[in-house]
Amino acid sequence: DAKTTQPTSMDCAEGRAANLPCNHSTISGNEYVYWYRQIHSQGPQYIIHGLKNNETNEMASLIITEDRKSSTLILPHATLRDTAVYYCIARMEYGNKLVFGAGTILRVKS
Amino acid sequence: EPEVTQTPSHQVTQMGQEVILRCVPISNHLYFYWYRQILGQKVEFLVSFYNNEISEKSEIFDDQFSVERPDGSNFTLKIRSTKLEDSAMYFCASIPGTGKRRDEQFFGPGTRLTVL
Repeated sequence: DAKTTQPTSMDCAEGRAANLPCNHSTISGNEYVYWYRQIHSQGPQYIIHGLKNNETNEMASLIITEDRKSSTLILPHATLRDTAVYYCIARMEYGNKLVFGAGTILRVKS
Repeated sequence: EPEVTQTPSHQVTQMGQEVILRCVPISNHLYFYWYRQILGQKVEFLVSFYNNEISEKSEIFDDQFSVERPDGSNFTLKIRSTKLEDSAMYFCASIPGTGKRRDEQFFGPGTRLTVL
């Protein structure tokens, strides 16, 4: 699985968009970009994943650059409950384990 | 929405004792996993299980660890002789394997294991 690099921490004002970057310059053509989050010692929670097209679901949007070397997770209207550690993971789809890094600690402040 | 459940939520044991951590994956899911997270550290993969056998295991998953799916619903992790360094949060996860959300890993709330 390709290595990913994320900032250690970020702050965001409540109600504003949170933009979390991730670098994955060595990602291979068949590796997807996955985002999970972990809210204070709870089990990680799936957010979104994509291969090369931008993706959107009810939780977030994922923007992947054309060269696929980086991506951005967007939480359009962050709330206090979005305070969590966000993990960007590059992996092949279907059945493989998740390899978690340190992630980005997102603090949403009122 | 269906959830992965884990019991107990907290287990305290003496070093050298055997523990069994229990998980009930979501019904009809096909792949099952155990991860652990030592306090303040990363979530680490332990083992994956598919079609009633281990499909992959990490270096952490040595002879002291075993997994079992004794019936159609439970998925267990056994540690034969616990060590102090086994103290961690243990997460079970499962994926559907089919359908639109086929590769989304659903995690349980975790079991906090404390070895004294």
